[in-house]
Parts: sequence; structure tokens; C-alpha cells
Amino acid sequence: EAQVTQNPRYLITVTGKKLTVTCSQNMNHEYMSWYRQDPGLGLRQIYYSMNVEVTDKGDVPEGYKVSRKEKRNFPLILESPSPNQTSLYFCASSPRAGALGTGSGNTIYFGEGSWLTVV
Amino acid sequence: KQEVTQIPAALSVPEGENLVLNCSFTDSAIYNLQWFRQDPGKGLTSLLLIQSSQREQTSGRLNASLDKSSGRSTLYIAASQPGDSATYLCAVYGANSKLTFGKGITLSVRP
Repeated sequence: EAQVTQNPRYLITVTGKKLTVTCSQNMNHEYMSWYRQDPGLGLRQIYYSMNVEVTDKGDVPEGYKVSRKEKRNFPLILESPSPNQTSLYFCASSPRAGALGTGSGNTIYFGEGSWLTVV
Repeated sequence: KQEVTQIPAALSVPEGENLVLNCSFTDSAIYNLQWFRQDPGKGLTSLLLIQSSQREQTSGRLNASLDKSSGRSTLYIAASQPGDSATYLCAVYGANSKLTFGKGITLSVRP
């Protein structure tokens, strides 16, 4: 079954304690991205990756890091979490990106979300 | 900077009604536009994708149209059902490989 898997789904952590949210897709997609969803602000892109070893900042990258060492995995790292990073996080993937990603099959698949609370 | 607007933020209709959800965007230089559905506490599910060269796409009771020059898209839902209750988001995929979302329309279909 085609899917994007995020872990953990729910996490309460303390300020400053490094954490990693993993994301894995089994569809051999080139494009992966991370979003956070906050009430009244909607979905905002944190980072995206167009392929292995290619990552770039989205709209709200401050306080986050990512890496793309393998095609299937795109972890989101919070080096020193703060309360303003309390949010619902989504990982997503699609077959291609940019001008190559315009075909009808370039549907974006989302993970189920990770609820993160930083106290 | 691309901005995507969905108005109203919430909508309540009786079962069986045909309805139209609107989406507008400020930069017409897009590759495609997608409509998503999000159920409470869940991820997003893609409903329809319209390429920039297309005018509309259909899937079952859903029909999405795109007028790129005017920066508008509509999602038409025929014969609405209580199971259609969810938040509907539109997103545009722009030239900088960025996907920009609207804030969504929360739809409630009353039995």
C-alpha cells in the first residue's frame, strides 16, 4: 500500500531537548516536504527536498533542520525545541517536483500527522 | 509571494444540496492546483489535481475548475452527503517548487 509514515504520532517534550520526527515513503517519490499546521495560519511549508541530498527552505524554516540521505526518508530535526514549535506536523511526498511535476499523476501524499507539544 | 484565499472559512448546508467552494490565488504562474480533504485530526487526502493547461477535472460527485488568468478555482460538490463534512483545502504549486495552501473551508452537511 502506498503510504507516507510519520513517527511519532504524538509527543510531549520539554524545551531544549533535541528530537527527530521521522518520515518515510514507499513510493520512490523524488519530492518530499514538511509542513506545520496551526489554527488560523493554515499549512505552512518548513523545508522541502527535490531529491537525495537536495534540500531547501520553505516559509518557516527557523528552528528546524532536515536531511535527505536516502530517497525514502526525510527526517525533521528540532535541535532545541521551544514552545512556539508546538504544532501539528505533516510530511508529504510526490513523484516529481518543479516543472517535471506537472503531470496528472503528480498527486501529493500526506502522512497522518505528528502532534508535537513543547512545554 | 503567492497567496491563496478561501472564503468563507466555514459553510453549513442541508444534505442533498449542490455546493461550490471557492479558491483564489494571486500569482497566476502556477504548475497545477490541487484540492484536498482533511478530516479532523487526520492528514490530507488529495481529491483532484488540475494542471495549469487544463480547465477542469472530475471525480465522481466532485468537479474542479481552474481559471488561471483570473486566479480562481472552484470545487463543485453535487448532491452533498453528511459524509462530505470535512475541511477542504486548495493548494497551488508554483514555479519555485513551492506548494502554497489556502486556510481551508470547513464544510458541515446536515442530515
